[in-house]
Amino acid sequence: QQPVQSPQAVILREGEDAVINCSSSKALYSVHWYRQKHGEAPVFLMILLKGGEQKGHDKISASFNEKKQQSSLYLTASQLSYSGTYFCGTEEGAGGFKTIFGAGTRLFVKA
Amino acid sequence: DTGVSQNPRHKITKRGQNVTFRCDPISEHNRLYWYRQTLGQGPEFLTYFQNEAQLEKSRLLSDRFSAERPKGSFSTLEIQRTEQGDSAMYLCASSATGELFFGEGSRLTVL
Repeated sequence: QQPVQSPQAVILREGEDAVINCSSSKALYSVHWYRQKHGEAPVFLMILLKGGEQKGHDKISASFNEKKQQSSLYLTASQLSYSGTYFCGTEEGAGGFKTIFGAGTRLFVKA
Repeated sequence: DTGVSQNPRHKITKRGQNVTFRCDPISEHNRLYWYRQTLGQGPEFLTYFQNEAQLEKSRLLSDRFSAERPKGSFSTLEIQRTEQGDSAMYLCASSATGELFFGEGSRLTVL
């Protein structure tokens, strides 16, 4: 079951904040977040396991609400380098290591 | 370079021909994945291996698609009797602890 991401696209000015949401109709074991720049492979950002933990590095963090089967990615004080497409990937149920990706959120940061 | 390596990077073929892609994962990773990505979409799961065992194959994948991972090392993805709808980027990823490390992909164009 493909997770649903919102919004589909975001345009920001440098220094602004953004939130990208990911939701599933299935019980989730974990949520992954990746960023893909044009013409490049997706790059891993972080993984959150069920338990409602929040993770982050630098000015990018994420939360996982296991009960609501939702995750959010928070980008704070955005930089030009944050531009790209962000994908959430979900593992359902008890795990099993199959990650299903959403359609992506296109983020453009302008100076 | 110890990342995931894929070749060929680009393949142009005529409809009806067979094509084969190769993926060399990060050496200590026991899980290997194949995804397909079309423009504007997230990576679509095709199949994955744990060591040499193929554990799951997408139901969306026709019998024209086959993948192998002999001896749990490199993997090949073969598409027989290619169709124009097979045109896409084929991504390989490997994993040891959950996060996926993607290769640069093999772009297939079917004329």
